Amino acid sequence: NAGVTQTPKFRILKIGQSMTLQCTQDMNHNYMYWYRQDPGMGLKLIYYSVGAGITDKGEVPNGYNVSRSTTEDFPLRLELAAPSQTSVYFCASRIRLAGGNTQYFGPGTRLTVL
Amino acid sequence: ILNVEQSPQSLHVQEGDSTNFTCSFPSSNFYALHWYRWETAKSPEALFVMTLNGDEKKKGRISATLNTKEGYSYLYIKGSQPEDSATYLCAPHDDKIIFGKGTRLHILP
Repeated sequence: NAGVTQTPKFRILKIGQSMTLQCTQDMNHNYMYWYRQDPGMGLKLIYYSVGAGITDKGEVPNGYNVSRSTTEDFPLRLELAAPSQTSVYFCASRIRLAGGNTQYFGPGTRLTVL
Repeated sequence: ILNVEQSPQSLHVQEGDSTNFTCSFPSSNFYALHWYRWETAKSPEALFVMTLNGDEKKKGRISATLNTKEGYSYLYIKGSQPEDSATYLCAPHDDKIIFGKGTRLHILP
């Protein structure tokens, strides 16, 4: 299993540009998450999904959109990039079983908005 | 949204010493608690998932306890080594997984 993969690894955007961060997992996990890493603030949850066709907002959803058309893929869309969206973005997934289960993280996408 | 507090924010520990830090969370509607180890420029790595009040988990020199009635979990590191330097995150969860800000641990040689 490749686990959780993210593309691209790095990206530089100009203010106002759009892009999609890709996230794929091959573990048949039903839950998927997007986080951003803010300095001194740890990880902030942007959006999450409990299964194909179902998404919900996290702590900091403004400026982002997501979709979950398949179990494997959970892309994150930035429509009008702003400097405040400069961050490292992590995708994660887990399977929901009784008792809680480990969340697995992708390697991250480092995004700079200039 | 779950309100998670971790303390201290930062900790300097002499190599060989033992240490511990705290994760506090609302005790109502508790489902599970995750602990992660996060090294700079890497992805968070899972340490423990804890679900039952009184749970104790151990992985090598690292262990954790859970008190769901009062809403806290402790992480212990015995005999700190340089490779223990990292940020330790806790995350209580239902469907969402919300992280605390973490405890940044520095091991001094």
